[in-house]
Amino acid sequence: DAGITQSPRYKITETGRQVTLMCHQTWSHSYMFWYRQDLGHGLRLIYYSAAADITDKGEVPDGYVVSRSKTENFPLTLESATRSQTSVYFCASSEPQGFGVTYNEQFFGPGTRLTVL
Amino acid sequence: GIQVEQSPPDLILQEGANSTLRCNFSDSVNNLQWFHQNPWGQLINLFYIPSGTKQNGRLSATTVATERYSLLYISSSQTTDSGVYFCAVARAAGNQFYFGTGTSLTVIP
Repeated sequence: DAGITQSPRYKITETGRQVTLMCHQTWSHSYMFWYRQDLGHGLRLIYYSAAADITDKGEVPDGYVVSRSKTENFPLTLESATRSQTSVYFCASSEPQGFGVTYNEQFFGPGTRLTVL
Repeated sequence: GIQVEQSPPDLILQEGANSTLRCNFSDSVNNLQWFHQNPWGQLINLFYIPSGTKQNGRLSATTVATERYSLLYISSSQTTDSGVYFCAVARAAGNQFYFGTGTSLTVIP
């Protein structure tokens, strides 16, 4: 049971380049999320998806693009990377359950450390 | 969004000591999780606890949703407990989680 995986785990790129971070989950969870973690800010939501072909902005979406053509994959693209996007990126998934949603636990991938030079 | 405040921001304990970490949040929530981020950066689920009390070994957590706070208790701390503890809350199913800035715990032998 692989759970939720991210690739690459480490990435160094240059300003202006396009970068895609991959996220894959094997649980068939309907919801998937992308967060970034920066010192002093904890984790902040970039984008999330409630199902295939349904995505929505989070707290810090500028400079990022997401897509979700399949339930199990949720790639995050930096179309033109900037130094301020140097961060650790976490993908997460959840499957709300129960009438009135009595259970909605999020599970996180191992993270991708991105450096933009 | 929801403001999430964690205290204390930093904590240093002698091995074997007990501690209480606090999470205050600014709005009604129906989801709350505690995570431990280990020194390798991995986020580990500790508790899913939108209300009530749960225990798992030396760790326990209590959430009083009506008063908008949650507590994480660590008893008989060990060096492997070191890392950052995060509280995260959400209003409703699938909505974004809001994270606190964490409590950095160091347990010294």
